[in-house]
Amino acid sequence: SQQGEEDPQALSIQEGENATMNCSYKTSINNLQWYRQNSGRGLVHLILIRSNEREKHSGRLRVTLDTSKKSSSLLITASRAADTASYFCATVRDGTASKLTFGTGTRLQVTL
Amino acid sequence: DAMVIQNPRYQVTQFGKPVTLSCSQTLNHNVMYWYQQKSSQAPKLLFHYYDKDFNNEADTPDNFQSRRPNTSFCFLDIRSPGLGDAAMYLCATSGNRKTRSSYNEQFFGPGTRLTVL
Repeated sequence: SQQGEEDPQALSIQEGENATMNCSYKTSINNLQWYRQNSGRGLVHLILIRSNEREKHSGRLRVTLDTSKKSSSLLITASRAADTASYFCATVRDGTASKLTFGTGTRLQVTL
Repeated sequence: DAMVIQNPRYQVTQFGKPVTLSCSQTLNHNVMYWYQQKSSQAPKLLFHYYDKDFNNEADTPDNFQSRRPNTSFCFLDIRSPGLGDAAMYLCATSGNRKTRSSYNEQFFGPGTRLTVL
C-alpha cells in the first residue's frame, strides 16, 4: 500500500522564489529519499537522508527529517524554470533493504 | 555513460494480447526493479530481482511476470493485458556488491508507456 502523502499536490511559483514540499509517512524508516520526475520520463534521485539525520543540503536543495512526526520537507531555493517537474519522496523501511515506497508526489510549476 | 535503457518507449497492445517490455543496464547493478505508474500517481513496485533471486510484491497480479536472463537484462511480461494495465512501466537498478555502490539510490530508465486498446 502507498506509504506516504505529499502536500501540496501542486505548487506554482515564479522563478527565483523558494519552493517547499512536505512528505508524511506511516512506518519507521531506514532512510528517506527525494526523486524528481520530468513529464513522461523516469525518476532522478536528488538526495537521501538517513533516519538519524535531521537536515541535509545539496546545492539548492535542503531536506529536513522529523522522525517523531514521520515527516520530511524538501526546500528548493531560488527556483528556475528547469525545476518544473513532479517531486516524490520515497522511504526505505527498516528490514526491507533497497525497496522504495513512494509518496503521492508534488507537481511543481516554475514560471518566468 | 552508464545507464538504464528501456525499450520500446511506447508500446500499444490489444486487450488480452501478451506484451513484453525490456530493460537493460550498463551499471552492473545487482538489483533490478519494475514499477507501474498510472497517470498522476506514485510509482508502485511490482517486483525486483536481487541477482537471480526474484522477489514479488504481495499485491502484484499474477498477470505480471518477469525474467532476468543475465545481469544486464530484465523483462516484464504481461500475459493478458487489460484496460487497467495501461500505465508507464519504469525499470530501475541499484547496488553493486563489488564496487560497494549504494543499494539505496535507484537509477531509473525513461520508462515504457503502455497503451491497451
